[in-house]
Parts: sequence; C-alpha cells; structure tokens
Amino acid sequence: KAGVTQTPRYLIKTRGQQVTLSCSPISGHRSVSWYQQTPGQGLQFLFEYFSETQRNKGNFPGRFSGRQFSNSRSEMNVSTLELGDSALYLCASSLRGRATTQYFGPGTRLLVL
Amino acid sequence: ELKVEQNPLFLSMQEGKNYTIYCNYSTTSDRLYWYRQDPGKSLESLFVLLSNGAVKQEGRLMASLDTKARLSTLHITAAVHDLSATYFCAVDMIETSGSRLTFGEGTQLTVNP
Repeated sequence: KAGVTQTPRYLIKTRGQQVTLSCSPISGHRSVSWYQQTPGQGLQFLFEYFSETQRNKGNFPGRFSGRQFSNSRSEMNVSTLELGDSALYLCASSLRGRATTQYFGPGTRLLVL
Repeated sequence: ELKVEQNPLFLSMQEGKNYTIYCNYSTTSDRLYWYRQDPGKSLESLFVLLSNGAVKQEGRLMASLDTKARLSTLHITAAVHDLSATYFCAVDMIETSGSRLTFGEGTQLTVNP
C-alpha cells in the first residue's frame, strides 16, 4: 500500500506570496491532519479534515487554511507569507482520526525569504 | 490547554545500556502515541497506547501508559546505534472528536559505540 505523499517536497517563496501544499493520504484513509514543525516551536497542529469537513483547528492565524476533497486528498494554503512560516509542513493520514495510527508523509520544506 | 513534557530532552548513551524516556501530560487523556524521527526525515509511528496500563513492545523498545499518573514511558533495552533518533510522544485530548495531537518537545537520543 502506498504511503502518504506530499507535494512539493521543497519550496522557496518570498514574503507576501502565497503557497499551496498538497497531501494524498493512504488509500482508504478519511482523516487528514496537518502539522508545522520548526526548531523553535516544535510540532504544532494546524488542522484536521475528515470527509471534506474541518473537524479540528489549531491556534494559527487565518492566513493558514485548508480543504479536503471527496477523494480525501487535502491541500493547505498559506497566504501573505511571513519569514516565520519557514518550516517543515507534515501531513498525516489515518482511517478515522482519533485512536488510530497517524501515518505521516515526508513533508514539504518551505523556506520564506 | 494540554501540555506535554518529555525528559530528558537530550540523551547520550552507550550501546548495550538501558534507559527510559518519560512523557508527562497535563490533562486527562487515554490516547498516547510515540513517534521516531531521523534527521531530515518525517515521523515514523512506533506505538499507539489507548488505555490505562497499556504496554507495547517492539524489538528493543517498550512503551507503557499510566493514565492516572498522566505518564507514559519509552524504555530502551540494550541500546544499539540504529536507535539514534529523536523520539516524540503525542497526546490526544480526551474531549476532542477526531484527532488533534499535542506533541512533546522530543528526546534526541544518541547511542555511542
């Protein structure tokens, strides 16, 4: 079974631009979560989608948004990029979210200049 | 707000030795996860602990959960160099539907020959 895939793997943007990251979950998984990892803040939860609905949201500004499609693929968007948005963005998928193993993708490394 | 604390944050140990990583969390939960991260890589799921007293073992690693003490441990037996990595524990808040993991800071483990 193929794992979680994320595209692109690396991205360089400048301040003020926007970016869209994509995540394809493991086949059959309906829950997709997004996390931001930085050296200073560690791993922080962004949001979780289940059956195209946002089920949980972390404490990030409204510049961070996401969506999930009917095939469970998910995208997250960051508008008006700031230097502090430079991070590894990880997507995780699971069968139903709670109490099930979350399988993480390889991540998208975003650098904002 | 759920807080998750790991200790130690840095651990240098010799091959063949035993050690324990501790994960304390601040609010009621019965969903605890352990992950491993190699440098520059994503998170690999190690254990999912879903009830008080749960104990799981895989190779040289054993994880346990005490929900009353709000404590999980990851015990390393007879460490080998291949175990060198950063280990994270993560907790789901019990009131949350779906998934919203709060991660500890991570324990950077180095196993020396």
